[in-house]
Amino acid sequence: EDQVTQSPEALRLQEGESSSLNCSYTVSGLRGLFWYRQDPGKGPEFLFTLYSAGEEKEKERLKATLTKKESFLHITAPKPEDSATYLCAVQAWETSGSRLTFGEGTQLTVNP
Amino acid sequence: DVKVTQSSRYLVKRTGEKVFLECVQDMDHENMFWYRQDPGLGLRLIYFSYDVKMKEKGDIPEGYSVSREKKERFSLILESASTNQTSMYLCASRGGPYTEAFFGQGTRLTVV
Repeated sequence: EDQVTQSPEALRLQEGESSSLNCSYTVSGLRGLFWYRQDPGKGPEFLFTLYSAGEEKEKERLKATLTKKESFLHITAPKPEDSATYLCAVQAWETSGSRLTFGEGTQLTVNP
Repeated sequence: DVKVTQSSRYLVKRTGEKVFLECVQDMDHENMFWYRQDPGLGLRLIYFSYDVKMKEKGDIPEGYSVSREKKERFSLILESASTNQTSMYLCASRGGPYTEAFFGQGTRLTVV
């Protein structure tokens, strides 16, 4: 069974204080790992896809990296508008169809 | 701009009612999904569909059914709503296993 664990559950940062969110996964074979951002009361919004260990993707203050067991979402000099819940999801090779397995998310709060 | 549209943002229903949640996508995606999201439990897959009239159970299908008569539309049906089905319901569509999923804005369902 595919499993995704995100840590920490919640993170409070001061504006400008860089940090990282973790996504650990257990799958039979990773086809892809996806990061999403979710604002309160809204649907998740796609950020990145990573396919193989060593891969990195960047977008503004966010950088996602991937190893064989985990992914990190690095947030550099965050701003209050980066406050959201960040979700990680995996697609395994043996998983039926195109279903994704999601972690429970990390709720990030950035204080001004 | 790609779109997944859910028919209602907020819905209040009575216990025992039959409830229909509608989702439409305009991306010609083959795969569509229904999730529910609850605090502390993350996103859990209820049902998904990989083609018209095709469906597959997710992790928590009990008490739900689905219908996909047209490629662009995927409906979630609560046969007899119960209070433990009070939740945020999210619809998603996806082109294939290497592509990201796009989510609707969510339906906050309250069963009283």
